[in-house]
Amino acid sequence: GAGVSQSPSNKVTEKGKDVELRCDPISGHTALYWYRQSLGQGLEFLIYFQGNSAPDKSGLPSDRFSAERTGGSVSTLTIQRTQQEDSAVYLCASSLIAGGDTGELFFGEGSRLTVL
Amino acid sequence: GENVEQHPSTLSVQEGDSAVIKCTYSDSASNYFPWYKQELGKRPQLIIDIRSNVGEKKDQRIAVTLNKTAKHFSLHITETQPEDSAVYFCALSTGGGNKLTFGTGTQLKVEL
Repeated sequence: GAGVSQSPSNKVTEKGKDVELRCDPISGHTALYWYRQSLGQGLEFLIYFQGNSAPDKSGLPSDRFSAERTGGSVSTLTIQRTQQEDSAVYLCASSLIAGGDTGELFFGEGSRLTVL
Repeated sequence: GENVEQHPSTLSVQEGDSAVIKCTYSDSASNYFPWYKQELGKRPQLIIDIRSNVGEKKDQRIAVTLNKTAKHFSLHITETQPEDSAVYFCALSTGGGNKLTFGTGTQLKVEL
């Protein structure tokens, strides 16, 4: 595809349910990020995948959050036992890492999660 | 890990005036400093970036300056226009394939 694709675009769930959010990065991009943006707030780092390296999970807020990236491409962010404070827009981004230099991040449209 | 502070959190200017947003950081190994613009309801997009081997970069009405000694970098927008109204985020990375960390954002409003 031409850009980063995320699904679903909107998800409403009940407290306590599990949710999965999907990110399809730009083909060939080795780096993939997940950020969380609450209403009117900044970009909160969650997790970062770079090539075959172990992911940087330092931003995950609790053990209810996990993410995987299969085959170096598609990534899934899973939130277990959702809480109301998990409500936010979850943004995925991908970039090229060329020669060790960080490149431009291309963001998806985001997945808006609402936990009732 | 990297830490970046961004000021001001909100900025209101008259059309045609200049706007300056500043970010400070603590890790001297930081070497990549981009700025992203997020319009209301849209995704963030890169508007300009600078690497640590230069002190200033310009692109039409926007410029970024970097002071490595003082560990701060700034976004300058001249001749502001209503379409410049958005949230601006600074970010940084230590390179080597390491993650990009964002500042808390500045809501810029350009008033007619």
